[in-house]
Amino acid sequence: NAGVTQTPKFQVLKTGQSMTLQCAQDMNHEYMSWYRQDPGMGLRLIHYSVGAGITDQGEVPNGYNVSRSTTEDFPLRLLSAAPSQTSVYFCASSYSGGSTNEKLFFGSGTQLSVL
Amino acid sequence: QQPVQSPQAVILREGEDAVINCSSSKALYSVHWYRQKHGEAPVFLMILLKGGEQKGHDKISASFNEKKQQSSLYLTASQLSYSGTYFCGTEEGDMRFGAGTRLTVKP
Repeated sequence: NAGVTQTPKFQVLKTGQSMTLQCAQDMNHEYMSWYRQDPGMGLRLIHYSVGAGITDQGEVPNGYNVSRSTTEDFPLRLLSAAPSQTSVYFCASSYSGGSTNEKLFFGSGTQLSVL
Repeated sequence: QQPVQSPQAVILREGEDAVINCSSSKALYSVHWYRQKHGEAPVFLMILLKGGEQKGHDKISASFNEKKQQSSLYLTASQLSYSGTYFCGTEEGDMRFGAGTRLTVKP
């Protein structure tokens, strides 16, 4: 099993550009989520999904869109990148959301810089 | 709402002990603990599900006080490999993490 796979690992964008961060898992996990990590701020939840066709907002959803058309994939879209979105992005999944006893598996992260 | 962790950072010598605290303003049903090495993804350490539950993993253990809405992570006889940032997470349909505690273990 590959686990949680994120692509790309690094990305540089200009302000106003759009892009999609990819996340795929092969563990048949129902729950998938996106976090951003900034120095001193820890991991902040952007969006999450408890199953295909279901998404919800986290703590910092503004400027990001998600969709979940399959169990395996959970892409994160930046429609118009801003310098404030410079961060490290992590995708994470677990067997089921809403359950308190399922650990999260993290992808290796995407380092995004917006100039 | 994010849980609150303390301290923000701690520096230890090998063999010393440390305690990291995690508290929430909301009722806690479970607490997760993760460790992140520099430049890597967070890695799961343990989940505590019941009030008063204590768990251990090598010389790293944790307790969960449901009434006080807090959890503590205990690192005993620290090793160089314990260095990293420790996060607690609380779950209510989604997972929210504290800001992290940076632990540095020196020889």
